[in-house]
Amino acid sequence: KQEVTQIPAALSVPEGENLVLNCSFTDSAIYNLQWFRQDPGKGLTSLLLIQSSQREQTSGRLNASLDKSSGRSTLYIAASQPGDSATYLCAVRRNSRGGADGLTFGKGTHLIIQP
Amino acid sequence: GAVVSQHPSWVICKSGTSVKIECRSLDFQATTMFWYRQFPKQSLMLMATSNEGSKATYEQGVEKDKFLINHASLTLSTLTVTSAHPEDSSFYICSASWGAREKLFFGSGTQLSVL
Repeated sequence: KQEVTQIPAALSVPEGENLVLNCSFTDSAIYNLQWFRQDPGKGLTSLLLIQSSQREQTSGRLNASLDKSSGRSTLYIAASQPGDSATYLCAVRRNSRGGADGLTFGKGTHLIIQP
Repeated sequence: GAVVSQHPSWVICKSGTSVKIECRSLDFQATTMFWYRQFPKQSLMLMATSNEGSKATYEQGVEKDKFLINHASLTLSTLTVTSAHPEDSSFYICSASWGAREKLFFGSGTQLSVL
């Protein structure tokens, strides 16, 4: 059974710092990995999606890397801003024949950027 | 990006009543929809996968008679929590895709509180 772990569980840093959020998964047979942002009481916003054949994806100040063989992914946030405060979720999609599979999520990293 | 609408955003009900949650894909045909549940400080957990026109596939430990899922059209899936009890209080969120392995888009979630 796939398990996804995110470290740290919580992080509070001053504005402007560069951050690294970590995600690890136990089964490397994944189809893709996604990073999401979740704001309190709201749904999920997809940030980056990395296919299993890819090593990284970038969007603005965000960069996500994937090392499938070691079961790890990192989300790098450059020049953090107070608006980045949210819970960041890592999720992997299983690689199985045909069909559509749901995601397995980590518990998230609760990020607070201090003004 | 694609839009998934979920209603209601929150609901409070008495123990023993049934609650229906709707998930609609507004600008694409969702061949597959997923339903997740999230307890406080826990991961989002996949409950079931529904494909249009067929019975839903439930994850282990999820009671199919308690959580009724209907995916009658390519744009609508519903989750009915039957005879709700306080332990069913949770955040429920749906996601949809238009293909077996396409990117997933999430609704805004429904916070259910059972008194």
